[in-house]
Amino acid sequence: EPEVTQTPSHQVTQMGQEVILRCVPISNHLYFYWYRQILGQKVEFLVSFYNNEISEKSEIFDDQFSVERPDGSNFTLKIRSTKLEDSAMYFCASSYRTNPYEQYFGPGTRLTVT
Amino acid sequence: AQSVTQPDIHITVSEGASLELRCNYSYGATPYLFWYVQSPGQGLQLLLKYFSGDTLVQGIKGFEAEFKRSQSSFNLRKPSVHWSDAAEYFCAASTSGTYKYIFGTGTRLKVLA
Repeated sequence: EPEVTQTPSHQVTQMGQEVILRCVPISNHLYFYWYRQILGQKVEFLVSFYNNEISEKSEIFDDQFSVERPDGSNFTLKIRSTKLEDSAMYFCASSYRTNPYEQYFGPGTRLTVT
Repeated sequence: AQSVTQPDIHITVSEGASLELRCNYSYGATPYLFWYVQSPGQGLQLLLKYFSGDTLVQGIKGFEAEFKRSQSSFNLRKPSVHWSDAAEYFCAASTSGTYKYIFGTGTRLKVLA
């Protein structure tokens, strides 16, 4: 069964460093999403992406964040200058063009900022 | 503001017992509703979904959920729990015009042998 994959599974970085989290969505999906879950808190929406542009973003998704689909298979989340409060589990998700409401999630990348 | 509430943070049941996990939502209109399960080290797996129509929906792994508009609820049920059902369960909602999900805080299920 096709699935969303994410790399790395765990990333440790120092405050102020740039990180790129990578996702490979399901191959024929056209909608892509990033969510995050700070330890002990709810899973929160960050951004949705369709047709090579951001379709929606939350107030969390400020100028420090960016997303990109650099090729036909990868979808990335970049944090330009990490802060301690960016430590969280980051989930990538994707969905079909014909049913964007049904999202398939990856296993997540745990980001630890020290 | 739109919200999803899962009142129970932890639930413990014995194997073979029935299970009900609660989910309440607060939305202006009827949202689209989902239950996901997360096992350790795994992603969020979709158990079932409700968009419209029959208010009792069947999902994978023997789970079902019932949408009750009058109670703004979408509770997840299973008649007989297996040890492998131990995981964290998330209720989520979306609505027409946006694809973003709003999640509940999750319920961690422990199953006693």
